[in-house]
Amino acid sequence: AQSVSQHNHHVILSEAASLELGCNYSYGGTVNLFWYVQYPGQHLQLLLKYFSGDPLVKGIKGFEAEFIKSKFSFNLRKPSVQWSDTAEYFCAAPEEGYQKVTFGIGTKLQVIP
Amino acid sequence: DTGVSQDPRHKITKRGQNVTFRCDPISEHNRLYWYRQTLGQGPEFLTYFQNEAQLEKSRLLSDRFSAERPKGSFSTLEIQRTEQGDSAMYLCASSSSGTEETQYFGPGTRLLVL
Repeated sequence: AQSVSQHNHHVILSEAASLELGCNYSYGGTVNLFWYVQYPGQHLQLLLKYFSGDPLVKGIKGFEAEFIKSKFSFNLRKPSVQWSDTAEYFCAAPEEGYQKVTFGIGTKLQVIP
Repeated sequence: DTGVSQDPRHKITKRGQNVTFRCDPISEHNRLYWYRQTLGQGPEFLTYFQNEAQLEKSRLLSDRFSAERPKGSFSTLEIQRTEQGDSAMYLCASSSSGTEETQYFGPGTRLLVL
């Protein structure tokens, strides 16, 4: 079964700082990976996804993530955060066959103006 | 709005009562998922439907929980004899089976059992 680990549970940054949130997965087969974001009071939204091809994936709002197979990692990055990026970020991976998606515990990002 | 919708958005009930939640998926999506999210955790899979068939259930889904998708469109999740431990956000997601399948989530139903 797939498992997903997020190591940073709470991150506080000042505006314009660079962001990197860690995500590691366990499954060694065909890997598909997602980052979802949940802004305060809103529902989960897809930020970006990786299925195959270029391991550097670009998402919405200037976010990107890099799939590194040798490290079982899919870290989320943004070069310069804004106050509006304050949210909870979830890394996720579907089981093979897509019956379910396994989520990490989430990382709460607080950006200070 | 063509996203996933859920009703109600909030539900407060007394322990022992039954509750039912509804999910309307994106119209062309054949797969529908239920998840539960508690404070400080990511969503946890409960069950999933492909069209009207319920194909997988998590061990989290006790006998008090039942889900249906009778016509392969909307789905209901019922919790019988609610317990305080059932308090959580119940999320619905839908997807279209195939390559690059992606689940899209609804706003959730927040349940509080007193």
